[in-house]
Amino acid sequence: AQSVAQPEDQVNVAEGNPLTVKCTYSVSGNPYLFWYVQYPNRGLQFLLKYITGDNLVKGSYGFEAEFNKSQTSFHLKKPSALVSDSALYFCAVRDPGSYTGFQKLVFGTGTRLLVSP
Amino acid sequence: NAGVTQTPKFQVLKTGQSMTLQCAQDMNHEYMSWYRQDPGMGLRLIHYSVGAGITDQGEVPNGYNVSRSTTEDFPLRLLSAAPSQTSVYFCASRGQGDTQYFGPGTRLTVL
Repeated sequence: AQSVAQPEDQVNVAEGNPLTVKCTYSVSGNPYLFWYVQYPNRGLQFLLKYITGDNLVKGSYGFEAEFNKSQTSFHLKKPSALVSDSALYFCAVRDPGSYTGFQKLVFGTGTRLLVSP
Repeated sequence: NAGVTQTPKFQVLKTGQSMTLQCAQDMNHEYMSWYRQDPGMGLRLIHYSVGAGITDQGEVPNGYNVSRSTTEDFPLRLLSAAPSQTSVYFCASRGQGDTQYFGPGTRLTVL
């Protein structure tokens, strides 16, 4: 079964410092990986995805993610954190068994990012 | 273009009551789905639809029904609410691309 793991419940970082939110995956076949962000009392918003190609993927709001096949990781990064980046971040992998065309996503448990001023 | 809308935002039910959570999208997306979000468990798929008239079960379908009579609407019915169904419910839709669009959520409490 496809799965993703987010080993940290919370990440704390000071504004202006680089941030990393970790994600590791377990899939059969090629992974289709996603990061979503959830701001308080809001739905999830798409940040970025890795399907194929360059291992460094750039997304919204200055975020990027590094795909590492040998370490089965897809860590989310940002060079300089903002207080407004404080939110809940979810890593997800697409279940390749989605033969009907439906993109069945398997989500991690989420990591809360807290950026202090 | 409102995207994905959900009503109500909040709901309190008593055990055994039934209700329908509404979801609508105005992007003409084929694919729609319902997730529930529980602390420490991420999002889990309840039911999904690949088009009008076609639905299927997700990971945690028990106690929920869905139907898709139009492309726009995908209501989720709780048949007989139980405290274990206390959760935040998200509806999502997707077109031909990879991006799923989520609604703002419905926070449900079952007493």
